[in-house]
Amino acid sequence: AQTVTQSQPEMSVQEAETVTLSCTYDTSENNYYLFWYKQPPSRQMILVIRQEAYKQQNATENRFSVNFQKAAKSFSLKISDSQLGDTAMYFCALNKAAGNKLTFGGGTRVLVKP
Amino acid sequence: NAGVTQTPKFQVLKTGQSMTLQCAQDMNHEYMSWYRQDPGMGLRLIHYSVGAGITDQGEVPNGYNVSRSTTEDFPLRLLSAAPSQTSVYFCASSYTGLAGGHNEQFFGPGTRLTVL
Repeated sequence: AQTVTQSQPEMSVQEAETVTLSCTYDTSENNYYLFWYKQPPSRQMILVIRQEAYKQQNATENRFSVNFQKAAKSFSLKISDSQLGDTAMYFCALNKAAGNKLTFGGGTRVLVKP
Repeated sequence: NAGVTQTPKFQVLKTGQSMTLQCAQDMNHEYMSWYRQDPGMGLRLIHYSVGAGITDQGEVPNGYNVSRSTTEDFPLRLLSAAPSQTSVYFCASSYTGLAGGHNEQFFGPGTRLTVL
């Protein structure tokens, strides 16, 4: 079985500042994919960033970047230059390389303050 | 492309009633999945399908049935609704990448179900 843990239920950040969300996971697979999804109040699930476990290089997407530590099974998300539109729930998720079975963490609520 | 569509958006049922949540995708994705999201929690996998005619159970399958007769559609059936099934339900689809790898799952807008 695979598990994903997000230890921060809620975080707040000032507009234009940086915030880092933590995620740890456990899996017996050697090849897998990690994701961060954003869920705004509209409840739509939006992919923020994706990391393939066999890639050493950390993924980046504009203001979003990850710190992937495979040995430590850690996958944190950094949001730089936070914007009011970043206010949302953020979910870390894990998927085996074969199959379409995402395992989600419990989420972190991010509030960006003006 | 409409992407992943779900109907209805909201539904209220009485205990013991049955209903079907509809999910359709127009992206020719092989993989489709159903998740539920309870308050303050992440999504949990109910059932999934890797192609037409092939389905399997996820983490929380009890009380739900699925079938996949076409690539496009993946309905979720509640046979006898219970208050514990009050939740938001998400359908998702994805395709396999190169060498069997995985690309993102595209999610529908969700169905909020209340069972009284």
